[in-house]
Amino acid sequence: EADIYQTPRYLVIGTGKKITLECSQTMGHDKMYWYQQDPGMELHLIHYSYGVNSTEKGDLSSESTVSRIRTEHFPLTLESARPSHTSQYLCASRTSGETQYFGPGTRLLVL
Amino acid sequence: AQKITQTQPGMFVQEKEAVTLDCTYDTSDQSYGLFWYKQPSSGEMIFLIYQGSYDEQNATEGRYSLNFQKARKSANLVISASQLGDSAMYFCSIRYSGNTPLVFGKGTRLSVIA
Repeated sequence: EADIYQTPRYLVIGTGKKITLECSQTMGHDKMYWYQQDPGMELHLIHYSYGVNSTEKGDLSSESTVSRIRTEHFPLTLESARPSHTSQYLCASRTSGETQYFGPGTRLLVL
Repeated sequence: AQKITQTQPGMFVQEKEAVTLDCTYDTSDQSYGLFWYKQPSSGEMIFLIYQGSYDEQNATEGRYSLNFQKARKSANLVISASQLGDSAMYFCSIRYSGNTPLVFGKGTRLSVIA
């Protein structure tokens, strides 16, 4: 079992608001990832990190930013939420071992 | 482009029957890893099974097994004795050599019928 947490689990917010989605893991994993997924659709990688002070952009530009100041924490920030950001956001982590574990996800609705 | 293909958008299976979910991949790398995840309607991604490109034996985990055919670049998931709780989306994914992030297929929605 993996110990990876995401908050909030559900968020309804108005257009133009700044939001931060939290992701934390207690396994000491160095690699962490953020994916965006519409219901029943494929996952799109939006950001990832190989360790502290390392961040990379993924395939999907979602007008978001991330930071990795601590190993266990990888927050995702949307500076100005738009209805097109409505989706599920999944955080994941792994070590140099093979298995990538996912958090429970945050479902975001932007009105 | 390196990618994963799942050709079955949806599948139905009778309870207690076996079902195979197809997955093919495209890579010129020799070293890679293949993963299957289950996503129930609640939304979380649950790791099911892993197959390394150099593993000679097909991976098995309980009722899940992976039919790995390296020359054909396929990694099909076999679920034996299907249960109603197996109804979910199933995603095939690949990690290429090095630290590259997982690449996911579009998924297959499996419905188990009583």
